[in-house]
Amino acid sequence: KNQVEQSPQSLIILEGKNCTLQCNYTVSPFSNLRWYKQDTGRGPVSLTIMTFSENTKSNGRYTATLDADTKQSSLHITASQLSDSASYICVVGRSNDYKLSFGAGTTVTVRA
Amino acid sequence: KAGVTQTPRYLIKTRGQQVTLSCSPISGHRSVSWYQQTPGQGLQFLFEYFSETQRNKGNFPGRFSGRQFSNSRSEMNVSTLELGDSALYLCASSLLPTGDNVGYEQYFGPGTRLTVT
Repeated sequence: KNQVEQSPQSLIILEGKNCTLQCNYTVSPFSNLRWYKQDTGRGPVSLTIMTFSENTKSNGRYTATLDADTKQSSLHITASQLSDSASYICVVGRSNDYKLSFGAGTTVTVRA
Repeated sequence: KAGVTQTPRYLIKTRGQQVTLSCSPISGHRSVSWYQQTPGQGLQFLFEYFSETQRNKGNFPGRFSGRQFSNSRSEMNVSTLELGDSALYLCASSLLPTGDNVGYEQYFGPGTRLTVT
């Protein structure tokens, strides 16, 4: 069973609208949680990294939240643009063996 | 500063052959990780090298191997290729190992698209 579950699997939104992606994890002991954006045919690009003590982090129109108690994270995209069309991947790091666990990703399609 | 570079970008091989992929990390970065990405499995961790030593390894068969040189450049090798090895192979570099508590930033290359026929 994957230790990082993302939802929804895919979503379509209209340009200018907001959306929220979810990430639930069971990775333990927790080290850090990352959100990546991956455009088609390219490598992932880091959006945010959060450690245990951080519960929110922003990168432009992207805002990530972390609830380490419930082991949930979300990525909120504000005022979506066509360039936001991509796959968004949640990654959780474990502190004892340094391994990263990857979610399957959420594919976001922004339409004009 | 130049980003992570991977060569070749595209590769077509036949079952049973072997292949070597190369990754040059960002200057100053000492940690290099390799990942396999397929539509069905998503991103899967292969291994991580730091200062020429394999620091961590994913759940892949021994046909997958890697190494890191003193200049931090890394290569990964896949022997006896199978059809299921067709994937995008991504390399990522970071200043220090990615799993440590401080969560060092990881930068990905564009990947090598391997097709096994």
